[in-house]
Amino acid sequence: ETGVTQSPTHLIKTRGQQVTLRCSSQSGHNTVSWYQQALGQGPQFIFQYYREEENGRGNFPPRFSGLQFPNYSSELNVNALELDDSALYLCASSLRGPTNTGELFFGEGSRLTVL
Amino acid sequence: RKEVEQDPGPFNVPEGATVAFNCTYSNSASQSFFWYRQDCRKEPKLLMSVYSSGNEDGRFTAQLNRASQYISLLIRDSKLSDSATYLCVVRVGGSYIPTFGRGTSLIVHP
Repeated sequence: ETGVTQSPTHLIKTRGQQVTLRCSSQSGHNTVSWYQQALGQGPQFIFQYYREEENGRGNFPPRFSGLQFPNYSSELNVNALELDDSALYLCASSLRGPTNTGELFFGEGSRLTVL
Repeated sequence: RKEVEQDPGPFNVPEGATVAFNCTYSNSASQSFFWYRQDCRKEPKLLMSVYSSGNEDGRFTAQLNRASQYISLLIRDSKLSDSATYLCVVRVGGSYIPTFGRGTSLIVHP
């Protein structure tokens, strides 16, 4: 196990609703990245947080937002849900530093279905 | 052109076969390369990093060709348990944000 935990594991929402997904990073890691993975596709980068600040953002609209807390856990918020937001949302923690290997440690994901 | 491209497959091979996947990347400033494995409905996990000189880990061999901008993964003596999706991951120098390919599906059958 990676030590990265995500909640909830599954959820169903309707169009227009809002959702908050949570991630606890692995102990000692200071960076959290969020990815969206649609069925049959690779993970698409949403954004990354390092020391509580957004440190890069992929091609996602502003209704996708996030936070990182002092303990390095993180939240992903999606407003005005659309059908195409149905996907597996993956949180990955990593350690940025001189000995950074670049390895990402993923949680098991939150599977969102939008009806 | 996508930053990281992979043939989605599926590659359907018998046990014991040797199979190879390629992955091309578009950014010549790419500096770090990885292969991740993702089992069905599970999270991706690091399989191996790819070093400039190539590297081997048991039945798995990874190669990097900077001139042609591709990396490869060779699996020898395939096992049923190798059935999974193999994700190519590339990171540009100076960036902490890896980019994933869509993955190549491998099915190993008896």
